[in-house]
Amino acid sequence: GIQVEQSPPDLILQEGANSTLRCNFSDSVNNLQWFHQNPWGQLINLFYIPSGTKQNGRLSATTVATERYSLLYISSSQTTDSGVYFCAVELPGAGSYQLTFGKGTKLSVIP
Amino acid sequence: DGGITQSPKYLFRKEGQNVTLSCEQNLNHDAMYWYRQDPGQGLRLIYYSQIVNDFQKGDIAEGYSVSREKKESFPLTVTSAQKNPTAFYLCASSIDRVTQYFGPGTRLLVL
Repeated sequence: GIQVEQSPPDLILQEGANSTLRCNFSDSVNNLQWFHQNPWGQLINLFYIPSGTKQNGRLSATTVATERYSLLYISSSQTTDSGVYFCAVELPGAGSYQLTFGKGTKLSVIP
Repeated sequence: DGGITQSPKYLFRKEGQNVTLSCEQNLNHDAMYWYRQDPGQGLRLIYYSQIVNDFQKGDIAEGYSVSREKKESFPLTVTSAQKNPTAFYLCASSIDRVTQYFGPGTRLLVL
């Protein structure tokens, strides 16, 4: 099956710093999404980004589908950004919007 | 408020016991999903349902069962055949390919 690799696995930032999280995937995909899981386990969709670049406040994401990777940028990090960031992809023909998740990047933002 | 609810928040299972996790949504979404998350891992798909009275196995369906008798409800039963059930279980729903909405999760522990 498809491999979804996220890096780095762990990241510690000082509040106010910027960071880049990476997601590599081994096959062509229909769909790519970034999620944030807060320390209490709640997952929130950040971006639906099968290709191109999107921005939402301090967060932005870029997917280069031809090179099979996506990047999530966090600028001016805040303690509330802490948690785990997941990349998830949907294979062509998978049907019913089935997502395959990477193992995530655990981000800790310290004051 | 519209959203997805899961209950209970914590669940304890004895050896040989079947337990059922509840997932309810009032978003009028057709598709619903169950995921399992182990510590330090991404989410893995257990079962999904595109429509009432229909459901499909995901990547790790063995030892689990589901039903979809109503649009708003998608309960998951962890059977005694699941030998390693301790995990965090997340339910989600969607109406399109852009976003899955997740519930708060249920933590299952084996006594």
